[in-house]
Amino acid sequence: QKEVEQNSGPLSVPEGAIASLNCTYSDRGSQSFFWYRQYSGKSPELIMSIYSNGDKEDGRFTAQLNKASQYVSLLIRDSQPSDSATYLCAVNPQISGYSTLTFGKGTMLLVSP
Amino acid sequence: EPEVTQTPSHQVTQMGQEVILRCVPISNHLYFYWYRQILGQKVEFLVSFYNNEISEKSEIFDDQFSVERPDGSNFTLKIRSTKLEDSAMYFCATEDSGLAGGTKKYFGPGTRLTVT
Repeated sequence: QKEVEQNSGPLSVPEGAIASLNCTYSDRGSQSFFWYRQYSGKSPELIMSIYSNGDKEDGRFTAQLNKASQYVSLLIRDSQPSDSATYLCAVNPQISGYSTLTFGKGTMLLVSP
Repeated sequence: EPEVTQTPSHQVTQMGQEVILRCVPISNHLYFYWYRQILGQKVEFLVSFYNNEISEKSEIFDDQFSVERPDGSNFTLKIRSTKLEDSAMYFCATEDSGLAGGTKKYFGPGTRLTVT
C-alpha cells in the first residue's frame, strides 16, 4: 500500500515568515513529486514539481527532495495571507507517461496578517 | 493558459439515480483521469484513460462506474446507480506526455456531487 504522510496542521505562521511543509512517502520506487495548493472547496492547483534530489526554486517556493530518506518538503518564503490553504503532497511512480498520483491528506497553512 | 473544464459544477441527485459528469481536457493532453475527494478526506484516484481505453482503475471504481470519451473532446464519468457514499467532489485531471521534462497533471475545478 503506497502511503503519503503529512502533518494535518494547521501550521500557523505570521505574514512575512517562512512556512515549512513536510511529507514522507512509503514507495521507494517513486520518481516524481508534486506540491499542490488547495483552497477550501476548490481543486488542487499545481505549484511545484521535483524529480531529482536537492532543491528546486520557483519564486517564493522551494521544493526539497531526499529520496534516500523518502522525504519531500516545501518552503514558502515571505508568506502572505493569500497563501493560507491546504498543501497537498503527491507522489508518482514515474517521470513520464501516464501514472496515478498518490496524495497525502494535506497540511493546512494559516498565514496571519 | 489552457484549462480543464468540468460540468456541472454541482449535481444533486437521489440515491439510485444515474449521473454523468463531464470534463473537457486540455487539447494536446494524452492522459485523462478521474479523482474524487470526500469532504475532509484525501484526494483519491478512481481511473485513468489513455488511447480510448481504461489504463488503470482503483478499488473504488466498481461496476457502477464507467468512463468514455464519446466525441474526442468530452471525457465523461458515469455513475449508474448512485449511493449516499458517492457524495464527493469529483475532479477530472489531464496530462501531457511528459516527454518535455516530466509529467504534470492539471485538475479541473471539480463537480460537487450530492446524493440524497
